[in-house]
Amino acid sequence: DIVLTQSPALAVSLEQRATISCKTSQNVDNYGISYMHWYQQKPGQQPKLLIYEGSNLASGIPARFSGSGSGTDFTLTIDPVEADDIATYYCQQSKDYPRTFGGGTKLELK
Amino acid sequence: EVQLVESGGGLVQPGRSLKLSCLASGFTFSNYGMNWIRQAPGKGLEWVASISSSSSYIYYADTVKGRFTISRDNAKNTLYLQMTSLRSEDTALYYCARHGNYGYTPYFDYWGQGVMVTVSS
Repeated sequence: DIVLTQSPALAVSLEQRATISCKTSQNVDNYGISYMHWYQQKPGQQPKLLIYEGSNLASGIPARFSGSGSGTDFTLTIDPVEADDIATYYCQQSKDYPRTFGGGTKLELK
Repeated sequence: EVQLVESGGGLVQPGRSLKLSCLASGFTFSNYGMNWIRQAPGKGLEWVASISSSSSYIYYADTVKGRFTISRDNAKNTLYLQMTSLRSEDTALYYCARHGNYGYTPYFDYWGQGVMVTVSS
């Protein structure tokens, strides 16, 4: 199985930049496409797709969210952080079955 | 508007069975792969099963293989998860999620609100 590793929590100030990392145990790229996706989950809500294929912004997602990386190292950046962004963020790979998620990074206010 | 509405959850004893449903609307259900993903209380997300649009391809997590069955009825716009031999570790909020079809890779673009399954005696 492909293991995805995220830091459990990140403290950030409003209007600053948040950088959330996700490292995979195997390469999740294929023919130049990253099989890496990012989701946001607020308490009591279902997850919401933010970024697909490493860097593509999902429909309706603000441009302050961006994704980057390749191979085994990926990053979700929120710049600037707004109060509404306080949530848990998950990375997920679809290169192989089983589909796997990172453990989640809880974004907290400093 | 895409909507996914799960139902069928509840409290069930270990070893018993339960069948979840997910009613889809707002899109052509028969064109999309679908998934079940669960989240134990206070924990992260765990993929459970996937089914292709025509049911030709089905995949399961090892933790549920042989006990759970994913299926769909495209005429009824409904996804199912038949769960048997339930264990306490199956206690979770179960989400159905659609496979997105922009781009080249599968991802989960819409999620339902989830349905709670509690396995306890």
